[in-house]
Amino acid sequence: AQKVTQAQTEISVVEKEDVTLDCVYETRDTTYYLFWYKQPPSGELVFLIRRNSFDEQNEISGRYSWNFQKSTSSFNFTITASQVVDSAVYFCALSVVGSQGNLIFGKGTKLSVKP
Amino acid sequence: ETGVTQTPRHLVMGMTNKKSLKCEQHLGHNAMYWYKQSAKKPLELMFVYNFKEQTENNSVPSRFSPECPNSSHLFLHLHTLQPEDSALYLCASSLLAGGGTDTQYFGPGTRLTVL
Repeated sequence: AQKVTQAQTEISVVEKEDVTLDCVYETRDTTYYLFWYKQPPSGELVFLIRRNSFDEQNEISGRYSWNFQKSTSSFNFTITASQVVDSAVYFCALSVVGSQGNLIFGKGTKLSVKP
Repeated sequence: ETGVTQTPRHLVMGMTNKKSLKCEQHLGHNAMYWYKQSAKKPLELMFVYNFKEQTENNSVPSRFSPECPNSSHLFLHLHTLQPEDSALYLCASSLLAGGGTDTQYFGPGTRLTVL
């Protein structure tokens, strides 16, 4: 069975601090995809990144970076120089090929960035 | 027009009412999804439609009845709901329902309250 664990329920930082959101996943499949979504207070889930299981290169997009390590089954997300607009709930998700698009979500990490 | 739209954004209904949620995607996708997000549980997949055909029903009670008349529109018909059905209902779409190979894009959700 597949599972995604986001152990950090809530994180609070002050603006300009760096923050890392942890994600640990479980699957026996060798081909899978990992995702991060952002859910601001408005409710819409905003897609941030998709990573396949064969690509362990870290990725950087502006202030966002992702560290994928198969050895520890982790896909962590770091925000550098956080801003108030980063305040949201962040979800990590897993999907395996052939699952008819079934995304397995973690419970989410609520990030509060204070000015 | 934004990618995935949902109406209404908020809905309050009694247990004996019948109402419908509507989702429309403007992305040219072929797969559409309904998710339920409640305070006590992680995001739960309810239904998947691929090329208008239902391919997944995640043991959803029959008081929720989906309808997909074409690849751009998805409805969720509600009748005789229970207070525990109060939640945020999210619609998503992807190019195909291929198990992670296609990213799912979400709408803003309908906040449902059942009295």
